[in-house]
Amino acid sequence: DQQVKQNSPSLSVQEGRISILNCDYTNSMFDYFLWYKKYPAEGPTFLISISSIKDKNEDGRFTVFLNKSAKHLSLHIVPSQPGDSAVYFCAAESKAAGNKLTFGGGTRVLVKP
Amino acid sequence: EPEVTQTPSHQVTQMGQEVILRCVPISNHLYFYWYRQILGQKVEFLVSFYNNEISEKSEIFDDQFSVERPDGSNFTLKIRSTKLEDSAMYFCASSSLTGGGQPQHFGDGTRLSIL
Repeated sequence: DQQVKQNSPSLSVQEGRISILNCDYTNSMFDYFLWYKKYPAEGPTFLISISSIKDKNEDGRFTVFLNKSAKHLSLHIVPSQPGDSAVYFCAAESKAAGNKLTFGGGTRVLVKP
Repeated sequence: EPEVTQTPSHQVTQMGQEVILRCVPISNHLYFYWYRQILGQKVEFLVSFYNNEISEKSEIFDDQFSVERPDGSNFTLKIRSTKLEDSAMYFCASSSLTGGGQPQHFGDGTRLSIL
């Protein structure tokens, strides 16, 4: 299932700098996009979501941008903190598909002190 | 903060045996889900459950799988005759609403190892 792709398996960033995580999708029927963070031995934790009719949503240090024409979204974390080191998953949902989440493969972020 | 709890954290089972994975969703949530993640692969949707019925299921969720909400608090996933390829991390999730970007809250998962 390649409907949601995260092409960067890993990202390393210095503490205080910006982390930018990217996600591409192919299904134009997706209604919402969500970002989850996952620590080892824990389940995914919801971070932020965006409607397909919006182009930006911001919550504290986290901002998600959606470029619908390019079928691309990105998550910006500013400033990055060591506690942000985790795997980040992009996920998409479609009302037509019963609102199940379709996940990308994840990007492992390492924030260096 | 309320959380989804899953037991056991690790289950080792012989191939062909039945296994039941247990989940306690967040108490006021109405929608329940199972996902799995095979090592090195994506998190995949298995099934969603609402009002004591399956609302959606994936191709993975064949006749070997079943879900049940036996009482007001537990939500279980049963695999009738396990296969080697069922080895994966299984995540339960719940939500108060469905769609609209409403977050699904995940448990910490059960690692299922089939020998």
